[in-house]
Amino acid sequence: GDSVTQMEGPVTLSEEAFLTINCTYTATGYPSLFWYVQYPGEGLQLLLKATKADDKGSNKGFEATYRKETTSFHLEKGSVQVSDSAVYFCALVPRSYNTDKLIFGTGTRLQVFP
Amino acid sequence: GAVVSQHPSRVICKSGTSVKIECRSLDFQATTMFWYRQFPKKSLMLMATSNEGSKATYEQGVEKDKFLINHASLTLSTLTVTSAHPEDSSFYICSARGSGRRAITDTQYFGPGTRLTVL
Repeated sequence: GDSVTQMEGPVTLSEEAFLTINCTYTATGYPSLFWYVQYPGEGLQLLLKATKADDKGSNKGFEATYRKETTSFHLEKGSVQVSDSAVYFCALVPRSYNTDKLIFGTGTRLQVFP
Repeated sequence: GAVVSQHPSRVICKSGTSVKIECRSLDFQATTMFWYRQFPKKSLMLMATSNEGSKATYEQGVEKDKFLINHASLTLSTLTVTSAHPEDSSFYICSARGSGRRAITDTQYFGPGTRLTVL
């Protein structure tokens, strides 16, 4: 079935370091891909999304490119801040569904230290 | 942006009792609401989808008589865990999708979650 695989965390970085969180997916057809972020004590928030191959989603300095050939949607940021510390979830909505059923990865905790 | 609240944020109950969790869209109309369950170090698992005024659609393996979902208005959905047992202990998260000035169409907005502990 459709699934999302994320790198296990926690990812621990110093402020201003480069961030990559890997995400790969398995799905029939061409799913829509998402990154959600969950700050401590808050609900998940949509960070960025891409709906077709080669699309690049970007927001708040984060980027991810929909790579069909490698079935990947890796999250990157050039210079992380302490305020980026959160749990990041990669997710997809399969094209085969008529509803927007989100399928999530397990989440990756990011810890940024000053 | 659009805000979704959940109440309570934490609840502890005795085995055999029922617990109700509320999910509210505060500044938009939620035509569709989703209920998820999250186990420690696991991904969110969709339990059910509900549209306002109609019966919820449950995912395979989710007992609808155990997890009662009501979506009576465009701003409120409730999840009732009936006759709760320790294995029902989990983190329950709702999300809402809808329309309004503050809501982007086709985007799910998530609540902060409810931690249920059944003793």
